Amino acid sequence: AIRMTQSPSSLSASTGDRVTITCRASQGISSYLAWYQQKPGKAPKLLIYAASTLQSGVPSRFSGSGSGTDFTLTISCLQSEDFATYYCQQYYSYPTWTFGQGTKVEIK
Amino acid sequence: EVQLVESGGGLVQPGGSLRLSCAASGFTFSSYWMSWVRQAPGKGLEWVANIKQDGSEKYYVDSVKGRFTISRDNAKNSLYLQMNSLRAEDTAVYYCARVRCSSTSCYAHDAFDIWGQGTMVTVSS
Repeated sequence: AIRMTQSPSSLSASTGDRVTITCRASQGISSYLAWYQQKPGKAPKLLIYAASTLQSGVPSRFSGSGSGTDFTLTISCLQSEDFATYYCQQYYSYPTWTFGQGTKVEIK
Repeated sequence: EVQLVESGGGLVQPGGSLRLSCAASGFTFSSYWMSWVRQAPGKGLEWVANIKQDGSEKYYVDSVKGRFTISRDNAKNSLYLQMNSLRAEDTAVYYCARVRCSSTSCYAHDAFDIWGQGTMVTVSS
């Protein structure tokens, strides 16, 4: 099974900061990667699919990049509503899908 | 409004059974692959099972194979998860999720674009 490893597991940042989260796949997954945001007690929300395509309605301060095994999620100017946990997910290895362990973005 | 609403969670003893339901509305349910994803308390997300539009293909994470069965009723716009031989490690919030369609096709190789609010399953004596 393909393993997804996110780093860091948590980070502290201030509003206005630029934040980057990394996701590494244990083998190549092309661009079959999604990013989700989850707030406490809520369902995950799709932010980015196909590694770099912004889901409709998601603010443009979110961006994704990468292909193969290394991917990044960047929040260009952190807002108060962005404090949450972020997960990457690969959907390359049909028919099984795996998530990273999550990155919690906390207020500094 | 596009919506998924889960129900059927609760407290069950180890070895027991539970059937989760997910009611879909606001979109053509029969056109989409559907999934169940779970999240143990304080833990990350884990994909559990997928089902093709017509129910002809079903896939499961290894830890639930032989115990859980995913199914759907397109006439009722509903997705189900029958869970048997439940274990303490199955305790989690269970989400149903829709696999997104591209502009031209609806395959399994895509992200989850719509999620329900989740239903809690607790396995404990």
